[in-house]
Amino acid sequence: KNQVEQSPQSLIILEGKNCTLQCNYTVSPFSNLRWYKQDTGRGPVSLTIMTFSENTKSNGRYTATLDADTKQSSLHITASQLSDSASYICVVSDRDGNKLVFGAGTILRVKS
Amino acid sequence: NAGVTQTPKFQVLKTGQSMTLQCAQDMNHEYMSWYRQDPGMGLRLIHYSVGAGITDQGEVPNGYNVSRSTTEDFPLRLLSAAPSQTSVYFCASSYGRGHFPGELFFGEGSRLTVL
Repeated sequence: KNQVEQSPQSLIILEGKNCTLQCNYTVSPFSNLRWYKQDTGRGPVSLTIMTFSENTKSNGRYTATLDADTKQSSLHITASQLSDSASYICVVSDRDGNKLVFGAGTILRVKS
Repeated sequence: NAGVTQTPKFQVLKTGQSMTLQCAQDMNHEYMSWYRQDPGMGLRLIHYSVGAGITDQGEVPNGYNVSRSTTEDFPLRLLSAAPSQTSVYFCASSYGRGHFPGELFFGEGSRLTVL
């Protein structure tokens, strides 16, 4: 069964610190991997989309990496801000494309 | 652009009642989809559409119907609500063509409680 596992489930960091969120998947073959940010009570918003041939992609202070051989991805947040407090969701698309597999998300809390 | 608009934001139903969650997008996206989000679980696809007049089932379609008469609108109908359908529902659209959704744009969600 295609699965996407994220770790940790939740994380608390101090403002200004860096953090890394992990995503492991078993979807195979896969087309692309996405990271979304979901603020409390809002819909998810896309951060990055990477195809299987890309190793890294940045969006401001967010940098996603992908190792298609080990089926792992990470999302690194640099110099965290209070507004980074949210759930971060890893999503993997299988070759069909129309059926995305969502991870349960990592809840990040940035405190001052 | 308003993006993806969902209504209502909150709804309480009694078991057995029916209702329709509305979803509209103004980005001329061909791909539209409905997801449900439950605590501790990833979003799960209910139904999706790759264009007007075309719909298909996702991972958890039972108890839900959809139609796509226009490019803009993709309503989700609950036929006979059950407590297991208590969830937060998200509509999403994408510029993707065919069966490959590009970047997904989500609505703000509809929180449904079935008593």
